[in-house]
Amino acid sequence: EAGVVQSPRYKIIEKKQPVAFWCNPISGHNTLYWYRQNLGQGPELLIRYENEEAVDDSQLPKDRFSAERLKGVDSTLKIQPAELGDSAVYLCASSIRGLGGYTFGSGTRLTVV
Amino acid sequence: GESVGLHLPTLSVQEGDNSIINCAYSNSASDYFIWYKQESGKGPQFIIDIRSNMDKRQGQRVTVLLNKTVKHLSLQIAATQPGDSAVYFCAEKGGRDDKIIFGKGTRLHILP
Repeated sequence: EAGVVQSPRYKIIEKKQPVAFWCNPISGHNTLYWYRQNLGQGPELLIRYENEEAVDDSQLPKDRFSAERLKGVDSTLKIQPAELGDSAVYLCASSIRGLGGYTFGSGTRLTVV
Repeated sequence: GESVGLHLPTLSVQEGDNSIINCAYSNSASDYFIWYKQESGKGPQFIIDIRSNMDKRQGQRVTVLLNKTVKHLSLQIAATQPGDSAVYFCAEKGGRDDKIIFGKGTRLHILP
């Protein structure tokens, strides 16, 4: 089993530029999460999907962040335009119907300069 | 808002000794608790979990204790090894939102 796969691993962009992250969850996991982890902090939930439906996006800054999970499998998270404060690690996780602990990917480390 | 926190940001333990990492939670509605281990450059890795109807659960070299009276959670690692060096997060789930909420983490240093 490949686990949760994220790409890219690292991304450096200038402020005001767009950026996108991609996640492939574990096969059969219908629930997908995007978390943001600031340096020295625990991960914070941005959005949760049940299949292709976003069931909790209350913490997603909708003015610049967007996400999609077409066909209920892979997901992309986009920031446009990026700000300096968006520098963080963006983690994707998946689970079966939200049960138990989640399985996390290795994350994408974003640096905005 | 309600959150999970850890008592110490850093813990240093001699190799071979037992480690105890503590966590306090505030949401009395939480009914599921998890410990994660995060190594540098990696995502959080599930270690062990416990439901609120239990006080103790053991895994391989790890034990989680739950004290609901004082809302306290601890992770015990037996015979700490260099590979145990990481940041450890406790997390809670349950209540109205039913989503996993992480605390701030404790960095475990293993002394030779």
